[in-house]
Amino acid sequence: DAGVIQSPRHEVTEMGQEVTLRCKPISGHNSLFWYRQTMMRGLELLIYFNNNVPIDDSGMPEDRFSAKMPNASFSTLKIQPSEPRDSAVYFCASIVGGGETQYFGPGTRLLVL
Amino acid sequence: DQQVKQNSPSLSVQEGRISILNCDYTNSMFDYFLWYKKYPAEGPTFLISISSIKDKNEDGRFTVFLNKSAKHLSLHIVPSQPGDSAVYFCAASEGGGSNYKLTFGKGTLLTVNP
Repeated sequence: DAGVIQSPRHEVTEMGQEVTLRCKPISGHNSLFWYRQTMMRGLELLIYFNNNVPIDDSGMPEDRFSAKMPNASFSTLKIQPSEPRDSAVYFCASIVGGGETQYFGPGTRLLVL
Repeated sequence: DQQVKQNSPSLSVQEGRISILNCDYTNSMFDYFLWYKKYPAEGPTFLISISSIKDKNEDGRFTVFLNKSAKHLSLHIVPSQPGDSAVYFCAASEGGGSNYKLTFGKGTLLTVNP
């Protein structure tokens, strides 16, 4: 059974460029979460969706960040324009309703030069 | 302000001995706690959880203890194995489960030496 799929696994871009990260949750899971991991702040929640609807985006750092979930099997996290301080590992996770645990993808390592 | 704190960035133990990883929290509304393990270049994977109605949960070599009055939990690994070497994250949530947002600590790097 495929787990949470994220693409790309690595992204190197220049400051000012648009970056789009993609996530495919586990089939049948109805909640999806985007996290960011940095040395300074650790693993922090950016936004989460329930049944494709954004429920809490209080962790999104600023307007340069946006996330969408057009259907139950796909979500994107977009940064426009990107800045060097956005360099981090971005994780996507999903969970089935009533489930015990969130399942994480392998992450996208983003480097903004 | 960090609501979940793991004050030890790293821990080193000998194979076969006990590993004890600690976690403190400040938000009294947290009622569900989890431990995740993370290997390099992989996402965190769930290890064990505990609800606030319990003070202990055991799964094989892993036991989590919860002290609500002290707002403290710990993960015990007995016996420790080299394959346990990883970063361990403590996480907490309100609302009784993982369906809501998790607040993570910064992690503790455990190294188990053969």
